[in-house]
Amino acid sequence: KQEVTQIPAALSVPEGENLVLNCSFTDSAIYNLQWFRQDPGKGLTSLLLIQSSQREQTSGRLNASLDKSSGRSTLYIAASQPGDSATYLCALKTSYDKVIFGPGTSLSVIP
Amino acid sequence: GAVVSQHPSWVICKSGTSVKIECRSLDFQATTMFWYRQFPKQSLMLMATSNEGSKATYEQGVEKDKFLINHASLTLSTLTVTSAHPEDSSFYICSARDRSRGGYGYTFGSGTRLTVV
Repeated sequence: KQEVTQIPAALSVPEGENLVLNCSFTDSAIYNLQWFRQDPGKGLTSLLLIQSSQREQTSGRLNASLDKSSGRSTLYIAASQPGDSATYLCALKTSYDKVIFGPGTSLSVIP
Repeated sequence: GAVVSQHPSWVICKSGTSVKIECRSLDFQATTMFWYRQFPKQSLMLMATSNEGSKATYEQGVEKDKFLINHASLTLSTLTVTSAHPEDSSFYICSARDRSRGGYGYTFGSGTRLTVV
């Protein structure tokens, strides 16, 4: 059974700092991994999608990597801004065509 | 890009009544739609998978008679919470798979906040 964890559960950093969010999974048989952002009481915004054959994806200040062999993905945020404050979720599309979400990391960027 | 519209964004209903939530793919055809539930400070949990023209597949522990799912067209799926109770209060969110993109990407709706009083 696929299990997804995210560390840390919560993170508070000063504005301008670079940071890394971690996502770990137990079964490497995945189709893709997606990082989402969720603002309080809101839906999900897709940030980056990495196919199982890819190693990383970049969009602006965001960079996501995927290492299936070790069951890990990281989301790197450069030069953090207060507007980056949100909950970040990783989600795996498994071989059984299901998307399993991690518990999320709550990020707070302090001005 | 692919857009999924979910309606309503929030609803308050009395205990014992039914509530219908709609999920529409606006600019693509969605053969499969997914319904999730999220309790406060918890992650999203898959409730059911709905395929156009067929019965939904429910996850273990989800009552199919309580959470009715209909996927009558390639652009619309509905979730009806029947005989709602306060413990059904939650954030419900749908997602749809874009068939033209080979199913690689999932687009999520903006969610529905249900409060049962």
